[in-house]
Amino acid sequence: DTAVSQTPKYLVTQMGNDKSIKCEQNLGHDTMYWYKQDSKKFLKIMFSYNNKELIINETVPNRFSPKSPDKAHLNLHINSLELGDSAVYFCASSQDGALPDTQYFGPGTRLTVL
Amino acid sequence: GQSLEQPSEVTAVEGAIVQINCTYQTSGFYGLSWYQQHDGGAPTFLSYNALDGLEETGRFSSFLSRSDSYGYLLLQELQMKDSASYFCAVFTGGGNKLTFGTGTQLKVEL
Repeated sequence: DTAVSQTPKYLVTQMGNDKSIKCEQNLGHDTMYWYKQDSKKFLKIMFSYNNKELIINETVPNRFSPKSPDKAHLNLHINSLELGDSAVYFCASSQDGALPDTQYFGPGTRLTVL
Repeated sequence: GQSLEQPSEVTAVEGAIVQINCTYQTSGFYGLSWYQQHDGGAPTFLSYNALDGLEETGRFSSFLSRSDSYGYLLLQELQMKDSASYFCAVFTGGGNKLTFGTGTQLKVEL
């Protein structure tokens, strides 16, 4: 049984398009995250939601909009895609959003913007 | 701001012991974690240190010195499958926020 799942696994699209990535966790966790990993493997947090409420919002262009319909799902919508958005996007979850806690990562979505 | 430094690459032979160091500068510190990532895979949790000292989990151990802003991951009895990237990451509070280091590529050779 997959703990944190993401769809799609690969996404190839043209500049200027709008795309979404979906994430679901079946661990019963309260907190979910989006990370971006660039071509140099630098992994940086973008957003975090705790029980559907935004708690971390790093300096990310407002073309990126997370949405959490319930605490098991956190989707990422990206408008007007740019070449620099090409990266691997990881969703993660943890039990607690206020204290240090193990984060469980999904398999990642490799986004390529042409 | 936050900065974490790790060596970019380490090479070792199967069966050996290797240590991956991590030094950090952060405003606020709650603990140091280590994650492993194989090529094309997801980061997976290895260990967490909130207090000074050594934590051991099987072949892997992690050490923290808060006064030195320093930690390391020790891998013993290296196996080929340990070839991966290893990331240190610090919790700086504010909602379980993890800031990752740049990662160390470990290559295990025969």
